[in-house]
Amino acid sequence: DVQLLESGGGSVQPGGSLRLSCAASGFTFSTYAMSWVRQAPGKGLECVSVISGSGTPTHYADSVEGRFTISRDNFKNTLFLQMNSLRAEDTAVYYCAKNRWSERDFDLWGRGTQVTVSS
Amino acid sequence: QTVVTQEPSFSVSPGGTVTLTCGLRSGSVSSNFYPSWYQQTPGQAPRTLIYNTNIRSSGVPDRFSGSILGNKAALTITGAQADDESDYYCVLYVGSGALWVFGGGTTLTVL
Repeated sequence: DVQLLESGGGSVQPGGSLRLSCAASGFTFSTYAMSWVRQAPGKGLECVSVISGSGTPTHYADSVEGRFTISRDNFKNTLFLQMNSLRAEDTAVYYCAKNRWSERDFDLWGRGTQVTVSS
Repeated sequence: QTVVTQEPSFSVSPGGTVTLTCGLRSGSVSSNFYPSWYQQTPGQAPRTLIYNTNIRSSGVPDRFSGSILGNKAALTITGAQADDESDYYCVLYVGSGALWVFGGGTTLTVL
């Protein structure tokens, strides 16, 4: 089956760190750009980071630039998001999504993992 | 900073037609922004409906269609059904920052 499965979410205090993972299956992972999209409670969607199929370049929203790092392991078909210096406003469900560059869209989504930043 | 605008809410009668729009606070939306549309029900991941302005994703009923209307992208639902009651998000490819910017979403009520 073609699917994305996120893990690594949890509760952390402000200033803490978390590392999210997204396991991909059913497609040639290394040939697709991948993204992390988050959704704060009761809010809309926000694309926070994108990585090309090869691993470079990477792109970040201003809200996470310098604190989050996106990476991938094409041998293990896994996408990562290292989140440092977490803030309360980073509380959200984080979705992993597959991009089709030719269409500039998100054509496959994971189920998401909850990140809660609270003291 | 690019801001993508959507109607916060909309209501349609069963069997009716509704058009949701996706604009820019500054400027016009064209196909160059590759507008795409996503449907999300509470607690679920988004589902791709339309990509590249007007192409329906696999398995999406043909009552959903995408277009450019004036200076906005548009999602039209023709013959709305009860299970179309969802949140709808558009996203535009802007090519800077995190490359894509989502609109705030439209909550569609079918009643």
